[in-house]
Amino acid sequence: SYELPQPPSVSVSPGQTANITCSGDNLRNKYLSWYQQRPGQSPVLLIYQDNKRPSGIPERFSGSNSGNTATLAISGTQAMDEAVYYCQAWDSSTVVFGGGTKLTVL
Amino acid sequence: QMLMQESGPGLVKPSDTLSLTCTVSGAYINNGRSYWGWIRQPPGKGLEWIGSIFYTGSTYYKPSLKSRVTMSVDTSTNQFSVKLSSVTAADTALYYCARQGYCTGGNCHQYGWAFDVWGQGTVVTVSS
Repeated sequence: SYELPQPPSVSVSPGQTANITCSGDNLRNKYLSWYQQRPGQSPVLLIYQDNKRPSGIPERFSGSNSGNTATLAISGTQAMDEAVYYCQAWDSSTVVFGGGTKLTVL
Repeated sequence: QMLMQESGPGLVKPSDTLSLTCTVSGAYINNGRSYWGWIRQPPGKGLEWIGSIFYTGSTYYKPSLKSRVTMSVDTSTNQFSVKLSSVTAADTALYYCARQGYCTGGNCHQYGWAFDVWGQGTVVTVSS
């Protein structure tokens, strides 16, 4: 089955850029999305189709997809960005979520 | 504003069938622009997709759950449901319903295959 490995944790200083990666075979054709989940809250869609932002999502959230690695970049990281981030792909008529990356803002 | 609300028993006995319903308000399930999905999250763990359904009844299920999952849709009440049979403690989780876009023939509806609107989730515990 298709898997999307993510690093369990990433740390970043306030104001810096956080990069969270998601790996997978032939990721470019998988309609890659990213979600933010704060403690006790439902996930929020941040990025869809690799690099598009839904309305209302700040521009400091951006996505890229190089083919086998997708990256969520959070520029000017703030304390409120501390959360778990999940990537999600559509593969062979199934949805696959990455294991999640906990972002700590030090 | 579109809202989604999960409902169902919070406690299910082992080997029984878990049944949940999602009520959608602010949008019509039969709009043809969305699939409607179920995702769960075991305590302290990540997200796991269960399946998605179109208003016509067309479904996609997670392969490892397919033998135990049945999803249905009721356009008259603007609800969709999931049943998971033969549950065990491993099925204990927070269950979410969510709206999912889709792509076909190079055209994408809503946000592609992403889930853009989520319910608040309902906790289901499997225990005797």
